Amino acid sequence: EVQLLESGGGLVQPGGSLTLSCVASGFSFNNYAMSWVRQAPGKGLEWVSAISAGADNTFYADYVEGRFTISRDIPKNTVYLQMNSLRAEDTAMYYCAKREKGDRDSWGGYYYAFDIWGRGTMVTVSS
Amino acid sequence: AIQMTQSPSSLSASVGDRVTITCRASRGIRNDLGWYQQKPGKAPKLLIYGSFTLQAGVPSRFSGSGTGTDFTLTISSLQPEDFATYYCLQDYNYPYTFGQGTKLEIK
Repeated sequence: EVQLLESGGGLVQPGGSLTLSCVASGFSFNNYAMSWVRQAPGKGLEWVSAISAGADNTFYADYVEGRFTISRDIPKNTVYLQMNSLRAEDTAMYYCAKREKGDRDSWGGYYYAFDIWGRGTMVTVSS
Repeated sequence: AIQMTQSPSSLSASVGDRVTITCRASRGIRNDLGWYQQKPGKAPKLLIYGSFTLQAGVPSRFSGSGTGTDFTLTISSLQPEDFATYYCLQDYNYPYTFGQGTKLEIK
């Protein structure tokens, strides 16, 4: 079964750090880019960060750039999100998602989408 | 970053109704748009990618259209299980951005 399982969430004080993990199973982890997406309580989805299949490229949303670091350990089938200088507004459920390659597009490339999601891990930043 | 403006933010409809949700990108994103459904307490679920391609296993009452800056998700005949929140996502370039969401409620 294709599955993503997040862990590492919890309660942390403002300014603190936390590292989230997402363990993948049921697919060739090293072939897929991965992302983190978050959702504050009662709010919409926010894309946070992405890492390429080979870990040679990383991308961040403006609101986490310089504070969060995404990485992956291919032998462990795990993607991480190191979160530093945490703020109250980082309080959210954090999901990891697998980026699947779909059909070819009209421009010589492919369409992509997040086809598999984990159940999420909750991060609460509060004193 | 590309801004995604989704409308309406909420929508009341009845079983059997046809409903349409729209997303507008702040600049052209070709067809690089997906639609996701989320139910309370659950992770999002992929419905459509590449603006119009139905993900495997998704009922054919869901359809997507649009290119460039304007996109539409249509549910042709609402079923009880379709009452949820829907999000568009542009994956044309990083940083990816979601629309604000549309909460579809039972009338």
